[in-house]
Amino acid sequence: DIVMTQSPLSLPVTPGEPASISCRSSQSLLHSNGDDYLEWYLQKPGQSPQLLIYLGSDRASGVPDRFSGSGSGTDFTLKISRVEAEDVGVYFCMQALQAPFTFGQGTKLEIK
Amino acid sequence: QVQFVQSGAEVKKPGASVKVSCRASGYTFTNFAIHWVRQAPGQRLEWMGWINVGNGNTEYSQTFQGRVTMTSDTSASTAYMELSSLRSEDTAVYYCARNGGGDCYPSTCYGYGLDVWGQGTTVTVS
Repeated sequence: DIVMTQSPLSLPVTPGEPASISCRSSQSLLHSNGDDYLEWYLQKPGQSPQLLIYLGSDRASGVPDRFSGSGSGTDFTLKISRVEAEDVGVYFCMQALQAPFTFGQGTKLEIK
Repeated sequence: QVQFVQSGAEVKKPGASVKVSCRASGYTFTNFAIHWVRQAPGQRLEWMGWINVGNGNTEYSQTFQGRVTMTSDTSASTAYMELSSLRSEDTAVYYCARNGGGDCYPSTCYGYGLDVWGQGTTVTVS
């Protein structure tokens, strides 16, 4: 199975400041079609996860443009350009290249 | 709008089975596969498998092979996940989620993300 490793696990951020989360996979997530099968999800307190980013860098419908995804192969990053109070929650990366799909441990973003 | 409504919380004895339902609305049910994902207390999200609700094709995680069965009722726009031989470690919140890329195949689910999630169903095994 592909192992997903996130860092940091806890991320205190001042509103208006940027934030960055790293996700590394134990195998390349580059599909033969040229896309990276890496997704980012946010689980707000008391809610179900919601899709933020797919194919490594494509924002899901309705996701604010302060969220961006980058990276390729085994190293990926989720960036929030200016954190807002509503961004608190746990962020997960997930690889969708190969079954079983696997998730990172989660990064808990909190407001300072 | 597109949404899923899952069945209510369950409490089961070890060794029993549980069947969770996921009713879809707001889109053509047969055009998208559905994944099942669970979240045990203090653990990372765990993918269980997918079902193409139109033709019934499935792929399960080896972790659950032999214990999980995913089915669908297209007339009711509802997907089901049944887990048998329950043990305490199966205590978790179970989610259904739509495959954003449409159907899945053994080689790919197209990578468009799990774009709509149900509200979750808490299963307690005790």
